Amino acid sequence: AQSVTQPDIHITVSEGASLELRCNYSYGATPYLFWYVQSPGQGLQLLLKYFSGDTLVQGIKGFEAEFKRSQSSFNLRKPSVHWSDAAEYFCAVGGPGSGGSYIPTFGRGTSLIVHP
Amino acid sequence: DGGITQSPKYLFRKEGQNVTLSCEQNLNHDAMYWYRQDPGQGLRLIYYSQIVNDFQKGDIAEGYSVSREKKESFPLTVTSAQKNPTAFYLCASSDSLPAGHTEAFFGQGTRLTVV
Repeated sequence: AQSVTQPDIHITVSEGASLELRCNYSYGATPYLFWYVQSPGQGLQLLLKYFSGDTLVQGIKGFEAEFKRSQSSFNLRKPSVHWSDAAEYFCAVGGPGSGGSYIPTFGRGTSLIVHP
Repeated sequence: DGGITQSPKYLFRKEGQNVTLSCEQNLNHDAMYWYRQDPGQGLRLIYYSQIVNDFQKGDIAEGYSVSREKKESFPLTVTSAQKNPTAFYLCASSDSLPAGHTEAFFGQGTRLTVV
């Protein structure tokens, strides 16, 4: 069964500092990988995705992520954090369910706190 | 604009009542999903549907029911059998393989509270 681990429940950074959020996945084949962001009381917005090809993926809002197959990781990075980046971040892995369907599985999330 | 609409945004349920959460999409997606979100537990899959008139149980289907009579609609009923229904419920949709590679698009959620 596929699964996602986000080892950090909370991350605190100062505005302008760099950021890395960790994500490890378990999946039997080449995974589809995603990072989403969620503001309080809202739905999830896609930041970036990896399906194949270049292992360094660029997303919206200045985020990027790198797929490392040997480490089963898909860490999210940003070189300089803004106060508006404070939110909950979810890593997800997608893969076939029954009948070839596509079922996204999510990690527990990492809450990002940004200090001025 | 295309998207997913969930209603209502807030819902209150008395003990022993069934309530239905609405989810409508105009993205022409084949697949639709319901997730439950609790603090610190991420998103857990309740039900999903890949095609009209067909749906499958997810990881936590007990106490919930769904229907998929139209491609654009996937309502979720929280029954009285669900012992702890207070949570944030998210509906999502995506293109179904092998139509193409796509991510899941989410609605804005419904917060259900038992009173």
